[in-house]
Amino acid sequence: AQSVTQLGSHVSVSEGALVLLRCNYSSSVPPYLFWYVQYPNQGLQLLLKYTSAATLVKGINGFEAEFKKSETSFHLTKPSAHMSDAAEYFCAVSGPFGNEKLTFGTGTRLTIIP
Amino acid sequence: EAGVTQSPTHLIKTRGQQATLRCSPISGHTSVYWYQQALGLGLQFLLWYDEGEERNRGNFPPRFSGRQFPNYSSELNVNALELEDSALYLCASSLEGGKADTQYFGPGTRLTVL
Repeated sequence: AQSVTQLGSHVSVSEGALVLLRCNYSSSVPPYLFWYVQYPNQGLQLLLKYTSAATLVKGINGFEAEFKKSETSFHLTKPSAHMSDAAEYFCAVSGPFGNEKLTFGTGTRLTIIP
Repeated sequence: EAGVTQSPTHLIKTRGQQATLRCSPISGHTSVYWYQQALGLGLQFLLWYDEGEERNRGNFPPRFSGRQFPNYSSELNVNALELEDSALYLCASSLEGGKADTQYFGPGTRLTVL
């Protein structure tokens, strides 16, 4: 079965500091991985997705993630945090095949310290 | 291009009643997904519809049901409401329902069961 684990339910960083949100996956087949962001009282917005084309994936709002098969990881990073990045972030995996639901991690709430 | 829309935004029901939630996908998308985001339980997959057919179902009781109409809009019905059904219900749509397809989410319907 597909699954993802997000380490750290809450992460706080100072404005301008590096953002690192961790996601590890478990999959019996090559995974398709996604990062979504959810702002308060809103739905989910796609930040980026990995579909095996390139291991370093660039997304919106300056975020990027690197797929590391050896570490089964897909961590999300941003070089310099902005106050507007405060939100909840979800890592998700789809598949394996024929039942293309998304399986989400438990989420990481990112707080930006001024 | 209009995004995924959901109605109503908020819904308040009492235990034992029925709730009907509606979703309109992005134009051209044939797949619709329903997820439940309950406090403390994270995002859980409920149902997937594609081309009018139910393709996959999450681990929810039969009182959670739905359908997809010829115009690809969808309806989620929850019968015999229980207090623990209180949650944000998110609808998503994708182009074809494939493994790598991006799911685009609506703003959600917040269901409160009293």
